[in-house]
Amino acid sequence: GQNIDQPTEMTATEGAIVQINCTYQTSGFNGLFWYQQHAGEAPTFLSYNVLDGLEEKGRFSSFLSRSKGYSYLLLKELQMKDSASYLCAVRDLWDYKLSFGAGTTVTVRA
Amino acid sequence: DGGITQSPKYLFRKEGQNVTLSCEQNLNHDAMYWYRQDPGQGLRLIYYSQIVNDFQKGDIAEGYSVSREKKESFPLTVTSAQKNPTAFYLCASSTGVGSYNEQFFGPGTRLTVL
Repeated sequence: GQNIDQPTEMTATEGAIVQINCTYQTSGFNGLFWYQQHAGEAPTFLSYNVLDGLEEKGRFSSFLSRSKGYSYLLLKELQMKDSASYLCAVRDLWDYKLSFGAGTTVTVRA
Repeated sequence: DGGITQSPKYLFRKEGQNVTLSCEQNLNHDAMYWYRQDPGQGLRLIYYSQIVNDFQKGDIAEGYSVSREKKESFPLTVTSAQKNPTAFYLCASSTGVGSYNEQFFGPGTRLTVL
């Protein structure tokens, strides 16, 4: 099984940078996903990490350390539209199921 | 356009009634999933299907049933045995279960049991 922790809420100013941490404990690891979810809508895929290191995609970057069971999602040059919940999900090595954290609600203020 | 559709977006039912939530995808994906989302909690897996005519229980399958008679359709029935059915239900699909396969989500159905 998986145990995934991420902060409940974060607040930042427009134009700033925010880092959302995710820690996990797993019996078998086969990749970590980040999704963005606006209130009442479907989650949308942001990034995928399976090897250690940083993956950069425009204003969003995601980092993974498998030995530490740790990932972060970095949001740069924050915009008001980035106000959303950010979900960390870990895929199990044995059955490939995704286990989701509770999500981090990011509020961007002007 | 390719994607996943769920209907209806909002659904109200009386306690004790069974209700079926629709999920259709035209992405030609083999795998489909049903999740439940409650406030302050992560998505929890109800059922998943890797291929037509096959499905597996997820972490919270009690009180739910599914079928997978066609590749593009994976309906979820919330039965009267489900003790707390009011929630936001999300359907997802992926090209397969293994390897790198991001899941694509439908818009969700918010079920309220009165």
